Amino acid sequence: QKEVEQDPGPLSVPEGAIVSLNCTYSNSAFQYFMWYRQYSRKGPELLMYTYSSGNKEDGRFTAQVDKSSKYISLFIRDSQPSDSATYLCAMSSMDTGRRALTFGSGTRLQVQP
Amino acid sequence: ETGVTQSPTHLIKTRGQQVTLRCSSQSGHNTVSWYQQALGQGPQFIFQYYREEENGRGNFPPRFSGLQFPNYSSELNVNALELDDSALYLCASSRVLSNEQFFGPGTRLTVL
Repeated sequence: QKEVEQDPGPLSVPEGAIVSLNCTYSNSAFQYFMWYRQYSRKGPELLMYTYSSGNKEDGRFTAQVDKSSKYISLFIRDSQPSDSATYLCAMSSMDTGRRALTFGSGTRLQVQP
Repeated sequence: ETGVTQSPTHLIKTRGQQVTLRCSSQSGHNTVSWYQQALGQGPQFIFQYYREEENGRGNFPPRFSGLQFPNYSSELNVNALELDDSALYLCASSRVLSNEQFFGPGTRLTVL
């Protein structure tokens, strides 16, 4: 079993829809949680960074963390065709010194005009 | 503020050869991490460099090695290339030991 599980999709939604992307994890040592967006053949772009359980909002994006259920989510409101990309969840532990990120396999999102 | 840059963009090598990939960190960042991303997969951690020393390694063999220079730039070296080494190699920089890592565009390596 992978440490971080993510549905690969593809997820296809109409423009303007609310998108929900999710990851589950098994390692209770994970304390930091991130969402990255990756366009085809490009490097990942950091969208959201959270530490505590609860919600964090930034524009159209809301990140949600539930440490008790080992479950994180990213919500995208008013989705746009330009949001079409692969979304990667990533997490890391408080391991002293090293800050290696463990990624999910990514969910491919397509927003139809 | 200059972001993370990587060179070259693309590279084609044959099995058994050696390759060196380069990364310049974002200004103000002194920690560099390298990741390998196979097609359709998430990035996998190779190793991290801080203060010019390796600061943790993932599940990669010793033929994957690296360097960090005084200006915080970094190199990834891979010896005895194998077909399975074909992937996108990503460099990420961060402030000292921070979890917020910012990625470069990657180097796409093809091993024939």
